[in-house]
Amino acid sequence: DARVTQTPRHKVTEMGQEVTMRCQPILGHNTVFWYRQTMMQGLELLAYFRNRAPLDDSGMPKDRFSAEMPDATLATLKIQPSEPRDSAVYFCASGLVLGGGRRPYEQYFGPGTRLTVT
Amino acid sequence: GQQLNQSPQSMFIQEGEDVSMNCTSSSIFNTWLWYKQDPGEGPVLLIALYKAGELTSNGRLTAQFGITRKDSFLNISASIPSDVGIYFCAGQLRSGSRLTFGEGTQLTVNP
Repeated sequence: DARVTQTPRHKVTEMGQEVTMRCQPILGHNTVFWYRQTMMQGLELLAYFRNRAPLDDSGMPKDRFSAEMPDATLATLKIQPSEPRDSAVYFCASGLVLGGGRRPYEQYFGPGTRLTVT
Repeated sequence: GQQLNQSPQSMFIQEGEDVSMNCTSSSIFNTWLWYKQDPGEGPVLLIALYKAGELTSNGRLTAQFGITRKDSFLNISASIPSDVGIYFCAGQLRSGSRLTFGEGTQLTVNP
């Protein structure tokens, strides 16, 4: 069945290193979201794309985080340089937004990347 | 900004009991979604609600979109051990916009 996939599932890195997380949205979905989940803050939206164009990245620390969609089947979230406070689970979600006033869509989540920055 | 208050934060129940949880918002949403998250996994969509007053079921789960559009309820009937997990509500203002999540309800079911 169709699922959002994320790689890697786990990443341990040292402070200052670059981290790249990848997401493959469900085929045919035109909207991709990046979320971060921590015990303290819960689920927070970092950024999202529609038809590969960034629509909102206001939740992302701009100085160190960047999100891109090189093509319709790949979304990336990069942290450079990483810091211990970036330790969290990062989720990608995808959905299909239909025009013409049709029913709103649902978001489907990937399994997440658990990032630990030491 | 919009805030979602989800309650209760945690529940400990016996297998077979019914469960209720709810979310309230400081402002209106046009869509309410309910997710369940198992340890080490991403949230899985359970029920989506699109219209004020709507009552939707998915097996033993029933969710309602409040008339005021500022709240939603999820009920689980005849709970079973595999219902254990964290349940999140999420509100959406318009199609394709960001979701605002509640803090989650941790459900424990004792056999």
